[in-house]
Amino acid sequence: GENVEQHPSTLSVQEGDSAVIKCTYSDSASNYFPWYKQELGKRPQLIIDIRSNVGEKKDQRIAVTLNKTAKHFSLHITETQPEDSAVYFCAASIGTTGANSKLTFGKGITLSVRP
Amino acid sequence: NAGVMQNPRHLVRRRGQEARLRCSPMKGHSHVYWYRQLPEEGLKFMVYLQKENIIDESGMPKERFSAEFPKEGPSILRIQQVVRGDSAAYFCASSPLQRHTDTQYFGPGTRLTVL
Repeated sequence: GENVEQHPSTLSVQEGDSAVIKCTYSDSASNYFPWYKQELGKRPQLIIDIRSNVGEKKDQRIAVTLNKTAKHFSLHITETQPEDSAVYFCAASIGTTGANSKLTFGKGITLSVRP
Repeated sequence: NAGVMQNPRHLVRRRGQEARLRCSPMKGHSHVYWYRQLPEEGLKFMVYLQKENIIDESGMPKERFSAEFPKEGPSILRIQQVVRGDSAAYFCASSPLQRHTDTQYFGPGTRLTVL
């Protein structure tokens, strides 16, 4: 089955700096890659996602890049703010319909933004 | 537009009791996923259901765990004879699973504590 790895496990940046979080996946058939942000005791919230037919997607301060050849994708946060501090999870799925639509998650990275 | 609802938010059970977790998907969503999150871990897929059908239960333990999504009412995750290792946060997610709208939206979770 699919295996998603996330590294590093913790990341600390100064407010205003950029943060980059990387994930690798094992199944070349995976074609959907969402990123979720989870604050302590809260639900995971989708912040951005990308499908395998595009290489990059941006939404204001957040961007995701995908390298299908190397089987990795990265989350980029620019101009970090203290409220960006949270746990970030990457995930992958093989299909968008049917039994392949389940998400396989990485273990998460704790991002701390220092004021 | 109410999001995914889960109840109860917190559930305490003694070993050997039964736990029933409920999930009401977003309006218009007919696909429900259950995930389990252990402390400081990522989310692990358990089961995927559509109305009255279990599509994929490959992540669910073979014993003591069951899930249903009846024609009327919420999806139910049932854990019989709970053990301490069942203590975790259980999240459900829903999706419309129409073309290009395969995003999964998560509920607030049920935090199960087994004494």
